[in-house]
Amino acid sequence: EAGVAQSPRYKIIEKRQSVAFWCNPISGHATLYWYQQILGQGPKLLIQFQNNGVVDDSQLPKDRFSAERLKGVDSTLKIQPAKLEDSAVYLCASSLGGGYQPQHFGDGTRLSIL
Amino acid sequence: LAKTTQPISMDSYEGQEVNITCSHNNIATNDYITWYQQFPSQGPRFIIQGYKTKVTNEVASLFIPADRKSSTLSLPRVSLSDTAVYYCLVRTNAGKSTFGDGTTLTVKP
Repeated sequence: EAGVAQSPRYKIIEKRQSVAFWCNPISGHATLYWYQQILGQGPKLLIQFQNNGVVDDSQLPKDRFSAERLKGVDSTLKIQPAKLEDSAVYLCASSLGGGYQPQHFGDGTRLSIL
Repeated sequence: LAKTTQPISMDSYEGQEVNITCSHNNIATNDYITWYQQFPSQGPRFIIQGYKTKVTNEVASLFIPADRKSSTLSLPRVSLSDTAVYYCLVRTNAGKSTFGDGTTLTVKP
């Protein structure tokens, strides 16, 4: 089965610019997650969707980050405006459902802010 | 969410068995324990998950004592390609979990 697809793989922008990341989950997976992984740390959950509804966005900096999952399939994560501390890898994951279903991760987008 | 504690790093040699222990003192009754592996420039990859006693698959075993306050991931006969970061997570039935900073395993020839 095809894995979680993310694009772009790398992105370099200047601070205060905007950026968007795209994720296509594994077909049939209802739950989609976005994580932020800063170098040397474990992934931190930003937002969790169940189909096209938000389940948990408690750690999403909503003044600058937004995410949507239209039609309950692919998803975009946007940062506007970017700050230096947003430099990180942004990982998307999907699972068949919530609960105990294992998450399948994409290889992420590495974002560098100049 | 139960917090997990793992060693920051471990070293091993090829062919040895490696055991990585994770403590999760505040695990709730319905929580599961899940382990992921992450290589550089890749996303985490699911290894194994369990609730109690012992779970085994083709790559690892997971040992969970009766009090469930800790768990041990066992990797038999490691090779250089097992060098990676290993994360222990506690997952709730709502699908919530928190990654810690993981254990960096270095396998030497």
